[in-house]
Amino acid sequence: AQSVSQHNHHVILSEAASLELGCNYSYGGTVNLFWYVQYPGQHLQLLLKYFSGDPLVKGIKGFEAEFIKSKFSFNLRKPSVQWSDTAEYFCALNPYNQGGKLIFGQGTELSVKP
Amino acid sequence: GAVVSQHPSWVICKSGTSVKIECRSLDFQATTMFWYRQFPKQSLMLMATSNEGSKATYEQGVEKDKFLINHASLTLSTLTVTSAHPEDSSFYICSASRDRGNSPLHFGNGTRLTVT
Repeated sequence: AQSVSQHNHHVILSEAASLELGCNYSYGGTVNLFWYVQYPGQHLQLLLKYFSGDPLVKGIKGFEAEFIKSKFSFNLRKPSVQWSDTAEYFCALNPYNQGGKLIFGQGTELSVKP
Repeated sequence: GAVVSQHPSWVICKSGTSVKIECRSLDFQATTMFWYRQFPKQSLMLMATSNEGSKATYEQGVEKDKFLINHASLTLSTLTVTSAHPEDSSFYICSASRDRGNSPLHFGNGTRLTVT
């Protein structure tokens, strides 16, 4: 079965701390991987995506993620978080050749203390 | 950039009535649109895949007679919640892409449905 697992439900950090949010997926074939962010009261926005090529992908607002195929992981990182990064973060999987269907993880709520 | 518009943003209806939610791709043609449902503090769950000119494909456990999907044109898909009940209260979100998963997916702002 296809699934996405985000290990952390709620992460609390102080400003300038480093961030790493875990994401593991279960799917035997080729995948496209995404991280989305949902700020309070707003819609989902794409942070970054991996389709192929360099497994280290850089996104907006200083975020990056690394695809490790052997570990079925796609962890999100940011060296120094800001208060404005407070939001819900979703990892999502798109099985290749299944159109735009996305399978989402449970989400991780990030709270950054000023 | 590409934008997906969803309407209405929020709706309150009485139990037993039907509600229609529209999802429009504003500057591109979307042969496929997706409908998700998000309960409070939970992730998005795919309800159905809407294909222009053909029947929608529903995920397991989603009642196709209750959640009617119509994709009559390349820029419009509608989701109708029929005979709504309080347990249907949720946040409904649509998404669209230009092609089969190789372009960024764009999400609508979502529709907050409250059934009283």
